[in-house]
Amino acid sequence: DQQVKQNSPSLSVQEGRISILNCDYTNSMFDYFLWYKKYPAEGPTFLISISSIKDKNEDGRFTVFLNKSAKHLSLHIVPSQPGDSAVYFCAARESTGTASKLTFGTGTRLQVTL
Amino acid sequence: DTAVSQTPKYLVTQMGNDKSIKCEQNLGHDTMYWYKQDSKKFLKIMFSYNNKELIINETVPNRFSPKSPDKAHLNLHINSLELGDSAVYFCASRGTVYQETQYFGPGTRLLVL
Repeated sequence: DQQVKQNSPSLSVQEGRISILNCDYTNSMFDYFLWYKKYPAEGPTFLISISSIKDKNEDGRFTVFLNKSAKHLSLHIVPSQPGDSAVYFCAARESTGTASKLTFGTGTRLQVTL
Repeated sequence: DTAVSQTPKYLVTQMGNDKSIKCEQNLGHDTMYWYKQDSKKFLKIMFSYNNKELIINETVPNRFSPKSPDKAHLNLHINSLELGDSAVYFCASRGTVYQETQYFGPGTRLLVL
């Protein structure tokens, strides 16, 4: 049973436009949500995160929005650049004492075209 | 000055063999993890250690045995390798219990023939 879902396996966006990547979750115990970017043959790289008590977090061109009632979050990239082409994973954190684990979605492949 | 490093990067071996993957982090983090990314690209946690103590053990076959000689190292030993073990294995680390971000290594691509 997948607790974190990314329903769009791929997305193509023109350079300069906005990229919107979506993520849905089912577990109300998640307290943090993170976005990772992954290039082929490399490990996931942390991009941006948001606490479950907030609804927006912004870092440069990247903004994450959280709608807790809908159990939905999205990553906005504005403006999109060719170097943003990668697979983006949504992840959610659940903590029990010192034990903290991330549950990942299956990823969305973003292609930014010229 | 790689933050989280793994060796080897690629591993090709025969079914039934035993192999180990090593992970080291120089971030001074307390907690380390092993994840498996299968053929469907699904990234799933296997184990977590905090200061050399096992704190998370997902439902992983006991052919997989993690070992943490110190808090900067977390190794993964796999006995009697099976075809289904073919995957990319990622090591990750996290700072204190209050920090949510995990930092990943480059991955070890394991192919069992």
